[in-house]
Amino acid sequence: SQQGEEDPQALSIQEGENATMNCSYKTSINNLQWYRQNSGRGLVHLILIRSNEREKHSGRLRVTLDTSKKSSSLLITASRAADTASYFCATGQGGSEKLVFGKGMKLTVNP
Amino acid sequence: KAGVTQTPRYLIKTRGQQVTLSCSPISGHRSVSWYQQTPGQGLQFLFEYFSETQRNKGNFPGRFSGRQFSNSRSEMNVSTLELGDSALYLCASSPTALANTGELFFGEGSRLTVL
Repeated sequence: SQQGEEDPQALSIQEGENATMNCSYKTSINNLQWYRQNSGRGLVHLILIRSNEREKHSGRLRVTLDTSKKSSSLLITASRAADTASYFCATGQGGSEKLVFGKGMKLTVNP
Repeated sequence: KAGVTQTPRYLIKTRGQQVTLSCSPISGHRSVSWYQQTPGQGLQFLFEYFSETQRNKGNFPGRFSGRQFSNSRSEMNVSTLELGDSALYLCASSPTALANTGELFFGEGSRLTVL
């Protein structure tokens, strides 16, 4: 079963705008990760935030984590056409459990 | 450092046949995970291997099997193929002993079409 659920499922914006994607999950986690996938390609890791962290930055990416609400958000600032891709959140529960991915969210950035 | 390599990239099979997919992880990574991706189900976990041992298995029928070799390379096999097995099969390696505690490095996938 899927752990993370991304919202919205699809988002279309203009270049230069900010894009915000949300992820909700159900069980306690060790970490939450965000991945990007260009059409038909493999996934690329973007950022990992641990359960004891609330916010993390990497370049134009900003991730927040609210463990009390079991939710995370990914903000991409000053979006570019090259950011067009599907974005997935994934949750790790620690121990020997598998990393569980959400169904993904498709972002389209129009030039 | 070379990335995760999956072969073949594309293949077409007919129902009832079997298929073997190969994955070479990043050098030094001993954890390998496999995922099936379809438009309807998204990314579904298949297996995770560490040091030749299957540590986790997803909810797939016994037709799906896998193994890992001493050099960390991994293979997965699907027997008696069904139309619903058409998917992108993704392999990922991890530098951490526990695959869910750090980032996964994905290959480009093997696109399987079953006719």
